[in-house]
Amino acid sequence: DAGITQSPRHKVTETGTPVTLRCHQTENHRYMYWYRQDPGHGLRLIHYSYGVKDTDKGEVSDGYSVSRSKTEDFLLTLESATSSQTSVYFCAISIQQGYEQYFGPGTRLTVT
Amino acid sequence: GDSVTQMEGPVTLSEEAFLTINCTYTATGYPSLFWYVQYPGEGLQLLLKATKADDKGSNKGFEATYRKETTSFHLEKGSVQVSDSAVYFCALSDKNSGGSNYKLTFGKGTLLTVNP
Repeated sequence: DAGITQSPRHKVTETGTPVTLRCHQTENHRYMYWYRQDPGHGLRLIHYSYGVKDTDKGEVSDGYSVSRSKTEDFLLTLESATSSQTSVYFCAISIQQGYEQYFGPGTRLTVT
Repeated sequence: GDSVTQMEGPVTLSEEAFLTINCTYTATGYPSLFWYVQYPGEGLQLLLKATKADDKGSNKGFEATYRKETTSFHLEKGSVQVSDSAVYFCALSDKNSGGSNYKLTFGKGTLLTVNP
């Protein structure tokens, strides 16, 4: 299994509070991704990174920001959490663009 | 834009039955195609892949063939087991329109339940 961890694994937070999710990899892969998974929608890309300090938006980036200061860490921040951001969040990595992606175990976030 | 359509679930089979999960795609270029599996409470695991037309991906008894003429990548297994119960996702990787970075486009997933 690819060395990808996510923290926290579960979180409950209140509307309006900031939340940061962390993805850590030990594979030294250049590309990292954040997805959300919701019933009926499958997986949707939030943001991705193609190198340290290099990030870009995905299809559902509104309300989210990311940062990557080290190859191994990719942070996802909800600046002011809303109930619509209740979801399961997955981090993924790939060695090269267009190659298969390997996924972390996920973070279940509930915004009350 | 790119899209992946896979058969609606849920699919319920008896152990040792034959499995087919249909997947068709729309892409502007020459995508790579993947099947992922997600067991309850876990992340997605890569099951198999194919990177060009007529390639056959295989793993753990599952197979899928990249058919460019029908834009399909159907997943098959000859004899399913209870342990195969999971959600299966078809996905493609194609050049992101307007950019140089690839992303994965997923189907919505098919829930498979295998009964003893």
